[in-house]
Amino acid sequence: QLQLQESGPGLVKPSQTLSLTCAVSGASIRSDTYYWSWIRQHPGKGLEWIGHIFNSGSTYYNPSLRSRATISVDSSRDQFSLELTSVTAADTAVYYCASRGFPYKYYFDFWGQGTQVTVSA
Amino acid sequence: QSALTQPPSASGSPGQSVTISCTGTSGDVGEYDYVSWYQQHPDQAPKLIIYEVTKRPSGVPDRFSGSKSGNTASLTVSGLQAEDEADYYCSSYAGTNTFVFGTGTKVAVL
Repeated sequence: QLQLQESGPGLVKPSQTLSLTCAVSGASIRSDTYYWSWIRQHPGKGLEWIGHIFNSGSTYYNPSLRSRATISVDSSRDQFSLELTSVTAADTAVYYCASRGFPYKYYFDFWGQGTQVTVSA
Repeated sequence: QSALTQPPSASGSPGQSVTISCTGTSGDVGEYDYVSWYQQHPDQAPKLIIYEVTKRPSGVPDRFSGSKSGNTASLTVSGLQAEDEADYYCSSYAGTNTFVFGTGTKVAVL
């Protein structure tokens, strides 16, 4: 059973870079049977897909965040990361990591419990 | 890439049925049979309850069912139970390896 666990600072200052990590257990991060995804939820709002990475290389992003988001994999630690640059208060949200199977699986079946990130001076 | 449109709220009495709509465009819901639905209880992560429009993951009660017509997908919860009170989100594949989520619907069991 795949398990995902987010970690990172809960408070980030405006204009700085938000950095989060998702630890994966139950499967290898190098597996070619998963996309590793980031999804966020603004306070009291709906879900927003940020992007995902496949096989340690190919990345895909929400067009609205593509210029600021970077997803990468650390194979040695079985974890993947999200960096979001130039943050503002609008980036305050709960950030989830999730997995999506490959091939031909267009849904998110395993989720972390989420981590709250607040952007404030 | 705009969010899929869902009604903000829906409700029903125990034992009744409630149906939630999810309206997208011809570039997402209308083009792909890759609509999924997620249930989220307060302070919990979303949980997959429907995928590929109509399929249920193992362990999800058959009270949950999905359908699609044109650019609109729907989730029906039959035989409402107290534990079904939650937020529900749809999602659709939107092409070129991108996804879009719905605005969310809060279901109340009266």
